[in-house]
Amino acid sequence: EIVMTQSPATLSVSPGERATLSCRASQSVSSNLAWYQQKPGQAPRLLIYGASTRATDIPPTFSGSGSGTEFTLTISSLQSEDFAVYYCHQYNNGYTFGQGTKLEIK
Amino acid sequence: QITLKESGPTLVKPTQTLTLTCTFSGFSLSTSGVGVGWIRQPPGKALEWLALIYWDDDKRYSPSLKSRLTITKDSSKNQVVLTMTDMDPVDTGTYYCAHSVRARTDVWGKGTTVTVSS
Repeated sequence: EIVMTQSPATLSVSPGERATLSCRASQSVSSNLAWYQQKPGQAPRLLIYGASTRATDIPPTFSGSGSGTEFTLTISSLQSEDFAVYYCHQYNNGYTFGQGTKLEIK
Repeated sequence: QITLKESGPTLVKPTQTLTLTCTFSGFSLSTSGVGVGWIRQPPGKALEWLALIYWDDDKRYSPSLKSRLTITKDSSKNQVVLTMTDMDPVDTGTYYCAHSVRARTDVWGKGTTVTVSS
C-alpha cells in the first residue's frame, strides 16, 4: 500500500501570506494526486486533481505542483476562510490519504 | 448537480454488522468511468479510504479492511451499499460516500456518524 506523508502536521501562517504544504508518496503515483480542504464539521472539498488542475470554482490562489513522489499545495494569499485541514490523496495504485496538515492562523 | 446522502444506523454494538446506504442524484452509475466510494474519519483523525465500486461493477477495497467490507450497487435505485462486519469501537467515526470519475473523488456527501458501543 502506498503511504502518503504530509508535512508539516501544523502550519501557522498570517493572513495575506503564502502557505506551502507538502505531500510525499512512498512510491510514484504519477500525477494521480488530489488535494482536499476540510473545515470543522464539514465534508472534504476537492481543490486540486491531477496534481495541478484546479477543481470547479476553486480560486487561482490555490495551486498544485509536483509529480511522481513529491507534491506541493500552495495558497498564495491566505484568507480567513482558508484556515482548515488539508489532505492529499493518491489514486494511482489503490487509494490512500495523507494524515493531513492543519493550517492555522498565526 | 451531483448530490450524495449517507444513511444508516447511528449506533451499533460490537461484533454487529454495519450497513450503510448512499443515495445519489445528478449522475448515473451506468456511465463509463463513474464510481461511488466510501471514506471514513474517526473523531479528530485523518480520512481513511474504504471501498469503491465502478460503473462496470469493478470493486476495490482497502487492503487492511478487505475481509470485512462488501460494496454493492443498485444503479436503477441510484444507491450504493457498504457493509462492514465485526464492528469494533475503533470503527466509530463519520462515514462518507463520494462520487468518483476516472478514479478521482470529487463530490462528497455530508457524512453519517456511526458509534460502536455496547
